[in-house]
Amino acid sequence: RKEVEQDPGPFNVPEGATVAFNCTYSNSASQSFFWYRQDCRKEPKLLMSVYSSGNEDGRFTAQLNRASQYISLLIRDSKLSDSATYLCVVNGRGGADGLTFGKGTHLIIQP
Amino acid sequence: DAGVTQSPTHLIKTRGQHVTLRCSPISGHKSVSWYQQVLGQGPQFIFQYYEKEERGRGNFPDRFSARQFPNYSSELNVNALLLGDSALYLCASSPPGGRVADTQYFGPGTRLTVL
Repeated sequence: RKEVEQDPGPFNVPEGATVAFNCTYSNSASQSFFWYRQDCRKEPKLLMSVYSSGNEDGRFTAQLNRASQYISLLIRDSKLSDSATYLCVVNGRGGADGLTFGKGTHLIIQP
Repeated sequence: DAGVTQSPTHLIKTRGQHVTLRCSPISGHKSVSWYQQVLGQGPQFIFQYYEKEERGRGNFPDRFSARQFPNYSSELNVNALLLGDSALYLCASSPPGGRVADTQYFGPGTRLTVL
């Protein structure tokens, strides 16, 4: 079983729609959780941290379910500029194992 | 404030050669991590350094080595390059202390092509 699993997509979504991504992780000892966004041939950029109580930032909401080892990202009122690859990321032993990335979910917002 | 910087941006090498990649962290960050990202995959962890000490190592062969300098900048060295080493090499830095130390900020990467 892969450590962090995501649906690679692509998700083709009309502008203004709501879209949700999920990811599962295998290491129950994981301590921190993140969503990163990566544009084509660019570096990953931190979108949101996700802690036990979840997190909301404008149009973006992230949720964590530790019991099911499941993380979600919801994007409301999607914009053309939201088109990117969204990487689900977990951190194990406080950094000593580095971040573990999923392969990413490719999102395409259509006008 | 300047973000993480990396040099060079692009590099072309041939099999068997050696390469050195460089990274400067965000000012005030003492931890630097290196990742390899091949096309179509998420980044894979190579090393983490904190205060010049290696804190963690991923599943990479001994051809990969790194070090961190007193000013917290870092070098990644790869010996005896293979075609499969062609990738985007990303450096990330983390702020010191507490929960935020888990958060990593990435530089623009060095794109290495091995011919």
